[in-house]
Amino acid sequence: AQSVAQPEDQVNVAEGNPLTVKCTYSVSGNPYLFWYVQYPNRGLQFLLKYITGDNLVKGSYGFEAEFNKSQTSFHLKKPSALVSDSALYFCAVRDPNSGNTPLVFGKGTRLSVIA
Amino acid sequence: KAGVTQTPRYLIKTRGQQVTLSCSPISGHRSVSWYQQTPGQGLQFLFEYFSETQRNKGNFPGRFSGRQFSNSRSEMNVSTLELGDSALYLCASSLAGGKDYTFGSGTRLTVV
Repeated sequence: AQSVAQPEDQVNVAEGNPLTVKCTYSVSGNPYLFWYVQYPNRGLQFLLKYITGDNLVKGSYGFEAEFNKSQTSFHLKKPSALVSDSALYFCAVRDPNSGNTPLVFGKGTRLSVIA
Repeated sequence: KAGVTQTPRYLIKTRGQQVTLSCSPISGHRSVSWYQQTPGQGLQFLFEYFSETQRNKGNFPGRFSGRQFSNSRSEMNVSTLELGDSALYLCASSLAGGKDYTFGSGTRLTVV
């Protein structure tokens, strides 16, 4: 069965510093991987995805993520954090080789960027 | 293009009542998935509909049901509401293939 883990409930970073939000996954084959962000009382906003191709994926608002098959990871990164990046971040995985499986989410990581 | 529309945005219901939530997907998207978000359990998959057929179902009691109409709009229904059903309910629309999911703003259900 597919699963995804976000090992950190909370990440704190100073404004202007680089940020990393970690995600590891477990699927039987090559995964589809996604990152979403959620602001208070809002839905999920798409940031980026990995389907196939280049392991480094660039997304919205300066975010990027690297697909690492050997480490089964898909960490979200940004070179310089902004206070407005403070939000709840979700990693999600789907196994396209297991039929019509749903998108499965991690527990989420709360990012706090301090001015 | 218009995004995913969920109505209503907020609901307050009493224990034992039933509730119906609506989701209108992006035009051309035939798949609609529903998720329940709570602080303790995170985002949990409820069910997915594709071309009016339930294609997948999560581990929720039978009180939770859904349907999809020919125009791809979907509804979910929760009967005999319990306090624990209080949550943010999110729907996502996607094209077939599961390579993209666009979420609505959600419906915040409070059961008192």
